[in-house]
Parts: sequence; C-alpha cells; structure tokens
Amino acid sequence: QKEVEQNSGPLSVPEGAIASLNCTYSDRGSQSFFWYRQYSGKSPELIMFIYSNGDKEDGRFTAQLNKASQYVSLLIRDSQPSDSATYLCAVTNSGYALNFGKGTSLLVTP
Amino acid sequence: GAVVSQHPSWVICKSGTSVKIECRSLDFQATTMFWYRQFPKQSLMLMATSNEGSKATYEQGVEKDKFLINHASLTLSTLTVTSAHPEDSSFYICSASEPLQETQYFGPGTRLLVL
Repeated sequence: QKEVEQNSGPLSVPEGAIASLNCTYSDRGSQSFFWYRQYSGKSPELIMFIYSNGDKEDGRFTAQLNKASQYVSLLIRDSQPSDSATYLCAVTNSGYALNFGKGTSLLVTP
Repeated sequence: GAVVSQHPSWVICKSGTSVKIECRSLDFQATTMFWYRQFPKQSLMLMATSNEGSKATYEQGVEKDKFLINHASLTLSTLTVTSAHPEDSSFYICSASEPLQETQYFGPGTRLLVL
C-alpha cells in the first residue's frame, strides 16, 4: 500500500507568520510531488509542484523535497487569513494517477 | 493555468434514477481524465482513470456497472451514476491532465444528493 501521510491538524498560525506543512510518502519510486489547496466545499486548486530535491519558490510559497528522507513540505510565508484551508499533498510515480494524503487543515488567525 | 469545467454543479435526484455528470477541459486537450469522490471531512478518493477512446480503469471497490465513464473526445468525459441511492450522495470531482503531463487540474466539482 503506497501511503502519503499528512498531519490532519488543525495547524494554527498567526497572521504574518510562516506556516509549515509536512508530508511523507512511502513509495521510493515517486517522481512528482504536488501541493493543492482546498477550501471548504470547493475542489482542489494547484499551488505548486516539485520534481527535484531542494527548494522551489513561487511567491509566498516554497516547496521543499528530500527524496532520501521521502519528505516534502510546503512553507507559506506572511500567512494571511485567506490562506486558511486544507492543504493536500499528492504524489505520483509517473503513472499520472495522483496519490493524495488526507490533508492538513491550516487556520491563520488575524 | 488549464481550465476544467463540470456540469451540473448541484444535482438532487430521487433514489433509483441515473445522473450524468460532465467534465470538460476548456483550453486544452486531455488524453486522461480522473474521477474522484469526496465524502464530508474525508480525503479525495480516486474512483477511475479515463483515457480518451478506451475503457476506464476503475479503482478497487468501485463498481464499474454503477459508475459508467465515457471519454469520447479529448475534451469531454462523463460519469453516469446509475440507479443512484442515498449512499451515493457525495462530492464528485473530475480532473484532467494535458498529454504527457502529470499535473492535474480539477473541475469545480458536482454535489450529488440522492433522496
């Protein structure tokens, strides 16, 4: 069973702080890693993806990948109340079907 | 980014009826589309992978005769919930990816309520 694990939270951070969301995966053959954001009652929207070890930055978001540790994280700088949502980590092994974690609920308090 | 639409966004039906949900890629051709189901406060569960021009691949435990998937063109996939029952009430979401790409773009979802 290929697992993608996330802490369900809720993770509470004050406005302006850095939110750190973590994800581990069991399939060592995983090639591509995605972070999606899902607001309550809505479908997921893509935040960013990462393929290579290291950091990838896009605006206030930074994805970090460590394949040796089978670990991927998402950092949100200058967190805003509008960032409050569930963040889904997804992993694929070049088979195009994404394997989703259960998501981490983030709450940014004003 | 790529845009995926779904129709209808909401459907309420009586038990025993069939419901068809459409998923369209609006600005790209999608050789592969995916159908997910999400129950309240639970994660996305992949139901099936739909490839244009071929039969869908269903995940274990998903009844292919109950959830009929047709991917007749590069921009349209349909999911038909046949003889729907209250336990089929859920949030159905499709996603699509461009040829040879792994990134999936999600449609807005369809809420199904079976009375």
